[in-house]
Amino acid sequence: AQKVTQAQTEISVVEKEDVTLDCVYETRDTTYYLFWYKQPPSGELVFLIRRNSFDEQNEISGRYSWNFQKSTSSFNFTITASQVVDSAVYFCALRLMNSGYSTLTFGKGTMLLVSP
Amino acid sequence: ETGVTQSPTHLIKTRGQQVTLRCSSQSGHNTVSWYQQALGQGPQFIFQYYREEENGRGNFPPRFSGLQFPNYSSELNVNALELDDSALYLCASSLAGAGGPTEAFFGQGTRLTVV
Repeated sequence: AQKVTQAQTEISVVEKEDVTLDCVYETRDTTYYLFWYKQPPSGELVFLIRRNSFDEQNEISGRYSWNFQKSTSSFNFTITASQVVDSAVYFCALRLMNSGYSTLTFGKGTMLLVSP
Repeated sequence: ETGVTQSPTHLIKTRGQQVTLRCSSQSGHNTVSWYQQALGQGPQFIFQYYREEENGRGNFPPRFSGLQFPNYSSELNVNALELDDSALYLCASSLAGAGGPTEAFFGQGTRLTVV
């Protein structure tokens, strides 16, 4: 069975601070996808990124960056120069690559509060 | 916007009643998944439909059932509602093809309260 752990329940920062959200995953499969989703108060899960298990290259998209380390089974997410609009719950998720399903296994989420 | 719409957005039901939630998939997507998200938790997979057939199910009892229609829209039905069924129900659509499923795009959810 798969498992995703987000140990940080809630993080509070002041605007312009950098913040890293941790994600650790468990799976016996060697091929899988990892995801990050953002959930604002409206409830909709907004897709941020997908990485596959073959590609450990870090990725940067604007103020967002992701660090994937297979050796530690981690897929951490960093927001640089945080803004109030970044306030939301962030979920890390895993999906097996060889499964015919698109089933996602989610962590419990990290609530990020960015104050002005 | 993802193009996935759910209705209603909020619902209050009494214990023991039945409820139907609806989801309209993103155009071109042939797969619909339903998730239950309890307060303070991550979404939990309920089941998935592909071309009108259930092809995957999570750890939910049979009183949770669903349908997918030829236009790929979907319903989630819950019978004999219990207080613990109170949650945000999320629908996600994706496209299943030879290369595997695409990313799942979620609707805004239906918040169900059982009293």
